[in-house]
Amino acid sequence: DAGVTQSPTHLIKTRGQQVTLRCSPISGHKSVSWYQQVLGQGPQFIFQYYEKEERGRGNFPDRFSARQFPNYSSELNVNALLLGDSALYLCASSSSGRAGTEAFFGQGTRLTVV
Amino acid sequence: GQQVMQIPQYQHVQEGEDFTTYCNSSTTLSNIQWYKQRPGGHPVFLIQLVKSGEVKKQKRLTFQFGEAKKNSSLHITATQTTDVGTYFCAGRETSGSRLTFGEGTQLTVNP
Repeated sequence: DAGVTQSPTHLIKTRGQQVTLRCSPISGHKSVSWYQQVLGQGPQFIFQYYEKEERGRGNFPDRFSARQFPNYSSELNVNALLLGDSALYLCASSSSGRAGTEAFFGQGTRLTVV
Repeated sequence: GQQVMQIPQYQHVQEGEDFTTYCNSSTTLSNIQWYKQRPGGHPVFLIQLVKSGEVKKQKRLTFQFGEAKKNSSLHITATQTTDVGTYFCAGRETSGSRLTFGEGTQLTVNP
């Protein structure tokens, strides 16, 4: 049974560019959350989607957006990239959107902005 | 907003010594989860605590949830080199669904 898969695994972008990161949750999981993890820090919540609806949004600028598709996969878009956006972007899936559900993380996408 | 603080930031131990990391939330939590992240890896779920005062054990790991549901601890007995990694606590607020992570405790174990 496949776990959470994210693509690409690594990405290098230039300041000002746009990037799209993709996530496929565990089969049967309807909730996807996105986190940003800067080196040496804990993951910071960006978005949660459940059944294609946004359920929560963290303290990130409007340059960050996301969506969830009918098959529950998800994309995270970041516009007008800044150097500070360099981080590991983690996708986590869970079986429901309720509080207290275990989150399964993908291996992440390492984004470097130069 | 909710803040989750974790101490210590780093811990270096000799193999066989015990290790403890502490987690404190600025708000009451509905539950707290613990994750382990190996160097270069992604967070892996260890356990979830839900009840006030709850204590759970996994082999050499003991997890506690405070009576006020605002703090938690992870204790490892007789550390092994396989315990190396960063341990994160992550709390969910009573009314929310997001996980708020602490900064993590990076554990290194000298053989």
